[in-house]
Amino acid sequence: KQEVTQIPAALSVPEGENLVLNCSFTDSAIYNLQWFRQDPGKGLTSLLLIQSSQREQTSGRLNASLDKSSGRSTLYIAASQPGDSATYLCAAGPGFGNEKLTFGTGTRLTIIP
Amino acid sequence: SQTIHQWPATLVQPVGSPLSLECTVEGTSNPNLYWYRQAAGRGLQLLFYSVGIGQISSEVPQNLSASRPQDRQFILSSKKLLLSDSGFYLCAWQGADNEKLFFGSGTQLSVL
Repeated sequence: KQEVTQIPAALSVPEGENLVLNCSFTDSAIYNLQWFRQDPGKGLTSLLLIQSSQREQTSGRLNASLDKSSGRSTLYIAASQPGDSATYLCAAGPGFGNEKLTFGTGTRLTIIP
Repeated sequence: SQTIHQWPATLVQPVGSPLSLECTVEGTSNPNLYWYRQAAGRGLQLLFYSVGIGQISSEVPQNLSASRPQDRQFILSSKKLLLSDSGFYLCAWQGADNEKLFFGSGTQLSVL
């Protein structure tokens, strides 16, 4: 059974710093790895999706990497801004179609102005 | 563009009462549809998914049921709510050619 872990559960950094969020998964036989953002009381917003054959994906100030052999993915946020404050979740998908997507519990990020 | 609507945003219901949460998707055809529940401090738990009208798969035994009466409509129901049904319920969809998952805004359900 796939297990996805995100440590730390909460992180506070000053505005302007670069930061890395971590995601670990136990079963390396994944089809893709997705990163989501969730604001308090809201739904999830898809940020980046990395296919199992890819090493990384970039969108603006965000860069996500995937290392299947070590069971790890990271989300790099450059030049952090207060608007980046949110909970970030990763999810591992073992096959096409997300019916078996396994989510981590998230990292709550606070950017201090 | 595709959009997903989920309502209501918040709901307070007494134990033993029925439940009906609705989710609709616009701008796409034959989407995969999902119901998730998010409990405080825990990850998202997949409750149901559907790959087509009338096709429902359940991930965990529970007090809830789901139905898909139309291509872009997904309904989560219960005949009698339990205290343990409280949580944040999220509907999501995935297009046939896009593996990204798109979520609705969620329903905060409190069973008292």
